[in-house]
Amino acid sequence: ELKVEQNPLFLSMQEGKNYTIYCNYSTTSDRLYWYRQDPGKSLESLFVLLSNGAVKQEGRLMASLDTKARLSTLHITAAVHDLSATYFCAVGLGGSQGNLIFGKGTKLSVKP
Amino acid sequence: EAQVTQNPRYLITVTGKKLTVTCSQNMNHEYMSWYRQDPGLGLRQIYYSMNVEVTDKGDVPEGYKVSRKEKRNFPLILESPSPNQTSLYFCASSRRPGQGYEQYFGPGTRLTVT
Repeated sequence: ELKVEQNPLFLSMQEGKNYTIYCNYSTTSDRLYWYRQDPGKSLESLFVLLSNGAVKQEGRLMASLDTKARLSTLHITAAVHDLSATYFCAVGLGGSQGNLIFGKGTKLSVKP
Repeated sequence: EAQVTQNPRYLITVTGKKLTVTCSQNMNHEYMSWYRQDPGLGLRQIYYSMNVEVTDKGDVPEGYKVSRKEKRNFPLILESPSPNQTSLYFCASSRRPGQGYEQYFGPGTRLTVT
């Protein structure tokens, strides 16, 4: 059974600081997703990571994937208030199946 | 505009009264999926469909049914809703998930079963 754990679940940080959200998963996967959800809103896709060593960056967010360690990280650089949201990772089971398992989410609050 | 639509957006119903939540996408996506979101539990997959007439169970399929008769539509059916199905439901679609395409999510349907 595939389990996905995110750490931390809550994160309060000051503007300008750096921090990392971790996503660990328990079995082999062929794809990993990061999503953002603003309060009362739907989910927005941030990154899709497919291969070991994959790194993607968009603005102040950078995601990486280590399939051997079964770990993905979402790194936040010089946080700004607009990044306050809940971030989810989701892991797909191997092959082209449609099963997707989400982590519980990390609620990020960036304070001035 | 490329989008996933869900209807209704809000629904209050009573235990046992059959209901359907519709989901439609205009992007010609093969893959569609339903999730429920509950506080502290994140999102959990209910059912997914890899293409027309191809559906499969996710993590929490009990109490739900789906069908995929047309590529654009993927309705979620609750034959006999119960209070533990009170939740926020999201539909999503994408091109082939194994190729790493991003999923597009609908706006959500907040369901309350009394």
